[in-house]
Amino acid sequence: GQNIDQPTEMTATEGAIVQINCTYQTSGFNGLFWYQQHAGEAPTFLSYNVLDGLEEKGRFSSFLSRSKGYSYLLLKELQMKDSASYLCAVNSEYGGATNKLIFGTGTLLAVQP
Amino acid sequence: DGGITQSPKYLFRKEGQNVTLSCEQNLNHDAMYWYRQDPGQGLRLIYYSQIVNDFQKGDIAEGYSVSREKKESFPLTVTSAQKNPTAFYLCASSKTGRTPQHFGDGTRLSIL
Repeated sequence: GQNIDQPTEMTATEGAIVQINCTYQTSGFNGLFWYQQHAGEAPTFLSYNVLDGLEEKGRFSSFLSRSKGYSYLLLKELQMKDSASYLCAVNSEYGGATNKLIFGTGTLLAVQP
Repeated sequence: DGGITQSPKYLFRKEGQNVTLSCEQNLNHDAMYWYRQDPGQGLRLIYYSQIVNDFQKGDIAEGYSVSREKKESFPLTVTSAQKNPTAFYLCASSKTGRTPQHFGDGTRLSIL
């Protein structure tokens, strides 16, 4: 089956670093995406990993290990506006079709002063 | 600026009524998608289209229908056969099936 696991909630302090983990078991793998979603709003694209290793983009970095079915999103210098839900999504093949995104349930991050 | 426009932002449906959610994009993207988001659950794929005049069922297509007559437009109809339609509906598009999907602002559908 298709399965993506993320922690449900996390809390961190303003200015600190937080790591949000994602593990997946999917049939086929064409890349992993991270999205940020503020309450009541649409998800916005943060990062994309298709090869093993670290991708850095400003305060946000994302890591992928395909052999372990594991990714993490690293947020540095946390700001209050980073309080949001972070969605892990895997581009997979299932149901007889390719390139379908499977989303985790999201990790709700609360940044405290 | 290019983007994805969903309308209306809020929609109310009466029992036994069909309603249509609009999704328009001017990003020149080939692929378009409809997702449903319920509290405590991940986004679930309803329908997707990788090219004009072609679309496929996603994981929860029952009670929904779509059309893709133009590249820019991918409307979703929630039919009376969908027994639990209250949810946040998100439309997305991407250049190809492997590039990042960009989302509209969503439509929140409720039952009267």
